[in-house]
Amino acid sequence: AQKITQTQPGMFVQEKEAVTLDCTYDTSDQSYGLFWYKQPSSGEMIFLIYQGSYDEQNATEGRYSLNFQKARKSANLVISASQLGDSAMYFCAILRDSGYALNFGKGTSLLVTP
Amino acid sequence: TAGITQAPTSQILAAGRSMTLRCTQDMRHNAMYWYRQDLGLGLRLIHYSNTAGTTGKGEVPDGYSVSRANTDDFPLTLASAVPSQTSVYFCASSDSTEGQPQHFGDGTRLSIL
Repeated sequence: AQKITQTQPGMFVQEKEAVTLDCTYDTSDQSYGLFWYKQPSSGEMIFLIYQGSYDEQNATEGRYSLNFQKARKSANLVISASQLGDSAMYFCAILRDSGYALNFGKGTSLLVTP
Repeated sequence: TAGITQAPTSQILAAGRSMTLRCTQDMRHNAMYWYRQDLGLGLRLIHYSNTAGTTGKGEVPDGYSVSRANTDDFPLTLASAVPSQTSVYFCASSDSTEGQPQHFGDGTRLSIL
């Protein structure tokens, strides 16, 4: 079964600095998809970025990029130029075996300080 | 645009009572999902539906049932609520295409006493 591990329960970063949130995954499939979501204190789940296992380039979306290392089974999220509004929980997720549902990691809480 | 609408926003329920959480989407997505979120555990899949008329069990299906009579609606029913079902429940939907993200509702905060 697909599994996600996020080893950092909490992270701090200073405003305008870059931060990397770790995500490792376990799957026996050759084809899979990885997602990152943001959950601010207001509670909504916001999609950030997607990486397909066959994508040759690392995914980027504005200030978000994914450091995808397939051999190491890691898909770390990099946030450049952190902003106070980036303070939130961040979840890494992988597509499940069947259909399009997701297995989520336990999340990393990011606090951006002035 | 509405996206996904969940109701109620929050509810307090006595143990042993039944409850249906409502979820409606207006994006014509084929697939819909129910997750529960508990502190320290992330989101866990309860049930899913890849298309209208079909449903499947997720990671934590016990005590819950779903139906998918049409594309837009995906209600989640607790037949006899227990305190361990106290959680925040999220409904989500997605297009059945590789790489398409799931869109989430705002969640229902449910407390079982």
